[in-house]
Amino acid sequence: KQEVTQIPAALSVPEGENLVLNCSFTDSAIYNLQWFRQDPGKGLTSLLLIQSSQREQTSGRLNASLDKSSGRSTLYIAASQPGDSATYLCAVSGAGSYQLTFGKGTKLSVIP
Amino acid sequence: GAVVSQHPSWVICKSGTSVKIECRSLDFQATTMFWYRQFPKQSLMLMATSNEGSKATYEQGVEKDKFLINHASLTLSTLTVTSAHPEDSSFYICSASPRLAVYEQYFGPGTRLTVT
Repeated sequence: KQEVTQIPAALSVPEGENLVLNCSFTDSAIYNLQWFRQDPGKGLTSLLLIQSSQREQTSGRLNASLDKSSGRSTLYIAASQPGDSATYLCAVSGAGSYQLTFGKGTKLSVIP
Repeated sequence: GAVVSQHPSWVICKSGTSVKIECRSLDFQATTMFWYRQFPKQSLMLMATSNEGSKATYEQGVEKDKFLINHASLTLSTLTVTSAHPEDSSFYICSASPRLAVYEQYFGPGTRLTVT
């Protein structure tokens, strides 16, 4: 059974700092990996999707990497802003299945 | 594009009553819809997968007679929580996969259910 772990559970940084969020998964046979953002009491916003054949994806200040063989992904946020404060969720879909398995998330607080 | 809506956004009901939550794909046809439950400070847990026109597939530990799922069209799935109890209070989120991109999921904004 796939398990997804996110470290740290919470992170507080001053505005402007670069930061890295970590995600690990136990079964490397994945189809893709996604990073989502969730604001309190809200649904999910997809940030980046990395196919299993890809190594990284970039969108603006966000860069996500994938090392499938080691079961790891990182989300890099450059020049953090208070508006980046949210919970970031990592999820993987298994090969042959489109079901997503989620981690518990990292709650990010960017202090002005 | 790829917008998913949920209705209602929040609902309060009394213990023992039933409540229906709707999930709609607004600008695409969704062959498959998923229902998740999220407890405070926990991650999303998949409850069931529904395919249009067929019975839903429930995850282990989810009572299919309590959480009734109907996916009658390519744009609408409903989740009915029957005989709700306070422990059913949670945040319910649906997602939908486009017919032509089954490995992508687009999430609704969620429904906050409180059972008193």
